[in-house]
Amino acid sequence: DSGVTQTPKHLITATGQRVTLRCSPRSGDLSVYWYQQSLDQGLQFLIQYYNGEERAKGNILERFSAQQFPDLHSELNLSSLELGDSALYFCASSVGTLAGNTIYFGEGSWLTVV
Amino acid sequence: AQSVAQPEDQVNVAEGNPLTVKCTYSVSGNPYLFWYVQYPNRGLQFLLKYITGDNLVKGSYGFEAEFNKSQTSFHLKKPSALVSDSALYFCAVRGRGYSTLTFGKGTMLLVSP
Repeated sequence: DSGVTQTPKHLITATGQRVTLRCSPRSGDLSVYWYQQSLDQGLQFLIQYYNGEERAKGNILERFSAQQFPDLHSELNLSSLELGDSALYFCASSVGTLAGNTIYFGEGSWLTVV
Repeated sequence: AQSVAQPEDQVNVAEGNPLTVKCTYSVSGNPYLFWYVQYPNRGLQFLLKYITGDNLVKGSYGFEAEFNKSQTSFHLKKPSALVSDSALYFCAVRGRGYSTLTFGKGTMLLVSP
């Protein structure tokens, strides 16, 4: 158990809908990351927050947004969902933003868009 | 930019034999290198990392990795494979000044009894 908690574990929704994925980082970790894992794209970095502020942005679509709250939990909002958004979404956390900090991953949220 | 290459989609090894999963990287400056493992329907589990110092890094479950700066490689190794080691292995790099990890496409390790 990495200490990173993600909910829900599985989600099935229809095209055009909106979903919210939730993440609680490890105790003491200030940095939160979101990754998308799909068969064709592999592991893709979406976005990073540090202590409530956006720190880095990767291949995140405009239909997707995220935030980190004062209690450090984070949410990833996915809207106008398309079939191609079906993937495993990982949240991860680290104590800080140094390159040597270990990033710990949650179990992921499986999203299926039908 | 930073990138990772895992040249093998799959590695097959018999239980009890040594295993190697290959990884090469590209990054400006000194690299910070990581290995993660993903079991079926599970999240990514951290195995080990190289930051600086000894080129041979020891990690969880008996795994180790050798950093080779001249070959820009960070191969994962284990002296004696177990069937339970069968999983998907990811190499990742993070350069100084980069906020996040860049992953390779993964290598499936299959250990046969």
